[in-house]
Order: sequence, then C-alpha cells, then structure tokens
Amino acid sequence: GAVVSQHPSWVICKSGTSVKIECRSLDFQATTMFWYRQFPKQSLMLMATSNEGSKATYEQGVEKDKFLINHASLTLSTLTVTSAHPEDSSFYICSASEVFYGYTFGSGTRLTVV
Amino acid sequence: QKEVEQDPGPLSVPEGAIVSLNCTYSNSAFQYFMWYRQYSRKGPELLMYTYSSGNKEDGRFTAQVDKSSKYISLFIRDSQPSDSATYLCAMREAAGNKLTFGGGTRVLVKP
Repeated sequence: GAVVSQHPSWVICKSGTSVKIECRSLDFQATTMFWYRQFPKQSLMLMATSNEGSKATYEQGVEKDKFLINHASLTLSTLTVTSAHPEDSSFYICSASEVFYGYTFGSGTRLTVV
Repeated sequence: QKEVEQDPGPLSVPEGAIVSLNCTYSNSAFQYFMWYRQYSRKGPELLMYTYSSGNKEDGRFTAQVDKSSKYISLFIRDSQPSDSATYLCAMREAAGNKLTFGGGTRVLVKP
C-alpha cells in the first residue's frame, strides 16, 4: 500500500525561528499534496493544497508568507513555518493524493514553539 | 452550521460490542465517502472508501452511504480495545480533490 513519511515527528523551537517539515511519498508519485493543521480534540483543518511544480493554493485565513509550501518533486513536499510564535504550536499533518491509493496521510508533526 | 456533522462522543462500549458511528452532511455534491481512524498523536489511517450510495464490507467494518438522507455510517463488529481511537468521516465532491472532514468521534472499547 501507499506510504507517506513525515519528518520530524516532533519539534521544539524558539519563538522567532523557522521550522521545516518534510512529507515524502515513499512508493508512489503524489501529484497533489495537502497540509493540515489539527488542534487538540479537533478535526483536521486544511491549510493548503500543493501540486508538483506549481504554487500552493492556500485556504482562506492561512498566511502564505508564514506557512511556506514547496512541492518540488512528485515525492516531496515541505512546509516551513517562518518566524514561529507560540500560537503556531499545533499538530501538522500532510496527505498525498494518488489515483489508485486515494489519500494517504503522514504520521504528523507536533510543533511546540517556546 | 458545519458542512459535515459528527457526534464528538466519547462513545464507550464493552469489548465485543458493535460500534456504530455516523455523519450527516449538507452538500449534495459529495460523491466519495471515507472513514479514517486516528490514534492519539498519529496521522489518520484509511479504513473504508465508498463511492455514492450503498454498503461496503471489509472484515469487521461495514460502511453505509444513504445519499438521499445525506447520512453515512460505519459499523465495527466484535470491537477490540485496540479499536479505541478517534474516527473521522471525510467526503469530497466528484469534481474536486479536497476532503471535508467531520469533527471526529472518540471511541473507547473497554476490556
């Protein structure tokens, strides 16, 4: 089956620094990748959709200059949280879409900004 | 009103019981329906994937879709403590590629 690897699984950073999260599709080529944010005991909130080689499409209310998404290849997408602040602390999850496998999710990254 | 409604629970059942979960939705354009299981601090794992109305069975899991009522269900037979998790319904339109999630139902199966 399809596997999506997400790293790191958890990260602690100081306020004002940037953090990069990687999402890789290991055994298939993902034409589209999605980034979600999830707060405790809440559902997934879609942040942006990225297609390989093109700019990401951000959902309303998501700051594209703060959450930089790069989808440079069919197997790798990255989310960079720039100038992180404590309110950016959350669980971030990526998902990759492929014709046969549907939507496969990564294991998530817990970001804590101190 | 949310586009997809799901009772947050928690739903507590004894081991071996049938777990019954459901979601209602308002967008009649939804055509693909999914159920995911999410353990704490992990990414969602796909359990069932159905298209349009009807039933689908896979092992202990049965998914039902009633588009006329805009209502979907997931049944888990012979529930195990390892089934304790949050269950999320998700759906999407035929033309789009975005998933719309329900809020999730927390399930606790007691030994």
